[in-house]
Amino acid sequence: EDQVTQSPEALRLQEGESSSLNCSYTVSGLRGLFWYRQDPGKGPEFLFTLYSAGEEKEKERLKATLTKKESFLHITAPKPEDSATYLCALTMNRDDKIIFGKGTRLHILP
Amino acid sequence: GAVVSQHPSWVICKSGTSVKIECRSLDFQATTMFWYRQFPKQSLMLMATSNEGSKATYEQGVEKDKFLINHASLTLSTLTVTSAHPEDSSFYICSARDLASGGYEQYFGPGTRLTVT
Repeated sequence: EDQVTQSPEALRLQEGESSSLNCSYTVSGLRGLFWYRQDPGKGPEFLFTLYSAGEEKEKERLKATLTKKESFLHITAPKPEDSATYLCALTMNRDDKIIFGKGTRLHILP
Repeated sequence: GAVVSQHPSWVICKSGTSVKIECRSLDFQATTMFWYRQFPKQSLMLMATSNEGSKATYEQGVEKDKFLINHASLTLSTLTVTSAHPEDSSFYICSARDLASGGYEQYFGPGTRLTVT
């Protein structure tokens, strides 16, 4: 069965304290892995797409990496405005559907 | 980036009535749109895939007669919740994929909060 597992469920960091969020997956025929940010009461905001192991993408304080079994979202020197739920999702070769993980709720303390 | 809008952003309706939610791709054409629902502190659950000019494909356990989907144009899909009941109260979110970009990511609307009283 295709699965996407994110850890930790929740993470509290001090402002400036770097960390990483994990997304592990077991799927057949991975086509792409996505990272989204979701603020309370809003739809997910697209951050990155990763297609192959070894690929990395960066945007401001965020960097996403991909291996054959997992992806990491690294947050460097986070600020309070980085507080949100970060969702990992992926799509397989067989169709256009996206499977979401349960997300990591990140809270950055000032 | 690709922009998706939803209308209304929130709606309150009485039990037994129907509610229509619109999803529009503003700066791209979308042959396929997706409808999700999200309960508090839970992740998104795909309800159905909406295909322009053809019938929607519903996920297992989703009542197609209750959640009517129409995708009449390349920029508009609608979700109608028929005979709504309190248990239908949820956050409904649509998404679309910009085929012209060549990417597989989906772009999401801001969501619609439905409360059935």
